[in-house]
Amino acid sequence: DAGITQSPRYKITETGRQVTLMCHQTWSHSYMFWYRQDLGHGLRLIYYSAAADITDKGEVPDGYVVSRSKTENFPLTLESATRSQTSVYFCASSDSGTSTSYEQYFGPGTRLTVT
Amino acid sequence: QQQVKQSPQSLIVQKGGISIINCAYENTAFDYFPWYQQFPGKGPALLIAIRPDVSEKKEGRFTISFNKSAKQFSLHIMDSQPGDSATYFCAASRRGYTGTASKLTFGTGTRLQVTL
Repeated sequence: DAGITQSPRYKITETGRQVTLMCHQTWSHSYMFWYRQDLGHGLRLIYYSAAADITDKGEVPDGYVVSRSKTENFPLTLESATRSQTSVYFCASSDSGTSTSYEQYFGPGTRLTVT
Repeated sequence: QQQVKQSPQSLIVQKGGISIINCAYENTAFDYFPWYQQFPGKGPALLIAIRPDVSEKKEGRFTISFNKSAKQFSLHIMDSQPGDSATYFCAASRRGYTGTASKLTFGTGTRLQVTL
């Protein structure tokens, strides 16, 4: 299927466990982003990537790790999950940072609960 | 640091009424101001966007008004419909340079409910 997909859609894990959230896009977009959405905070950027093997921190990167070995995939790993990381996580992609449109296309989200 | 402030947090409007959501920004380098619409259980999707060289942009029932001197912009939804019930996010970004991403800074969101 074309577009941007995330897996799993729902995940329950225990404190201290490692969790990886997957993101896959079929548009060959250069840019990919990870956000977390929390009530009262809106969408906050965790990490982003301008191309394969190029990643950088966003607003709230602590406790998260990303990698981007292929253009189409951008996994997000919680190295040791904490309850404060309970959230809805969105992946997004964008064609180019220098294009006339900076539209970001969002995936359906992953609802993560850390117990 | 909240660079984009959005209000109100929630809004209830009767069908046919006008919904108005306001945002204010701090960074004068921002040059792109989109609004995203999010339905429950879905990811946000671009609704309409504006650049600072125009004061208003209209697409159907949706209008962005932009006031550069006040560093404010707002979304107006005319003839609001129950199908418009969703969460709306304003955002802002600055033009990216080659090799960097145009990061969006989002407001905290407004939950709109349009009643019959």
